[in-house]
Amino acid sequence: EVQLVESGGGLVKPGGSLRLSCAVSGFTFSLYSMNWVRQAPGKGLEWVSSISSGGTYIYYADSMKGRFTISRDNAKNSLSLQMNSLRAEDTAVYYCARSSYSDSSGYLEIDYWGQGTLVTVSS
Amino acid sequence: QSVLTQPPSVSAAPGQKVTISCSGSSSNIGNNYVSWYQQLPGTAPKFLIYENNKRPSGIPDRFSGSKSGTSATLGITGLQTGDEAHYYCGTWDSNLSAGVFGGGTKLTVV
Repeated sequence: EVQLVESGGGLVKPGGSLRLSCAVSGFTFSLYSMNWVRQAPGKGLEWVSSISSGGTYIYYADSMKGRFTISRDNAKNSLSLQMNSLRAEDTAVYYCARSSYSDSSGYLEIDYWGQGTLVTVSS
Repeated sequence: QSVLTQPPSVSAAPGQKVTISCSGSSSNIGNNYVSWYQQLPGTAPKFLIYENNKRPSGIPDRFSGSKSGTSATLGITGLQTGDEAHYYCGTWDSNLSAGVFGGGTKLTVV
């Protein structure tokens, strides 16, 4: 059974940093691209970032470029999102999500989602 | 403001059919596959349609997808109260080099 379990969410002050992690199991992690998708309270889905299976190809939404860094450790079956210079508008549930492709460039096909971790940016 | 445009809400009676539209441009829907997701209240999204019109294993054939030009459509037949959810379209935008979602459509079955 495919499982994606996020951790690391919490309350952080504006300008602060937070690192999210996603532990995966039930599939060969190194064969799939991975994504972070977020959802602000009461709002729709917003794609954040993706990383290809080997970590070569990385993409970010414009509003996250320069502040967020996605990474993966295929040996540890884990995905991370380092978030710096956080703003109130970054408050959201952050989902770890698997692409159905090894290289997600040109595709947004997310076949499995974690349950999400809540990040609240507030003073 | 989302790159992809969906109607905020649609409604239909149980047993009826409904369609949800998703409008984009040549840089996204026009040249890339569209996927659809269902999000029931308080839960993570669920993979519903991929590559414009294919259903993952376990998704009933009441759900269908289509694409024409720069627009895509999700169809749901034989509506059930359990289909009440938010539905999102998604695709890749080649100009942005980024994934994009529609703003979401709330389906009410009344």
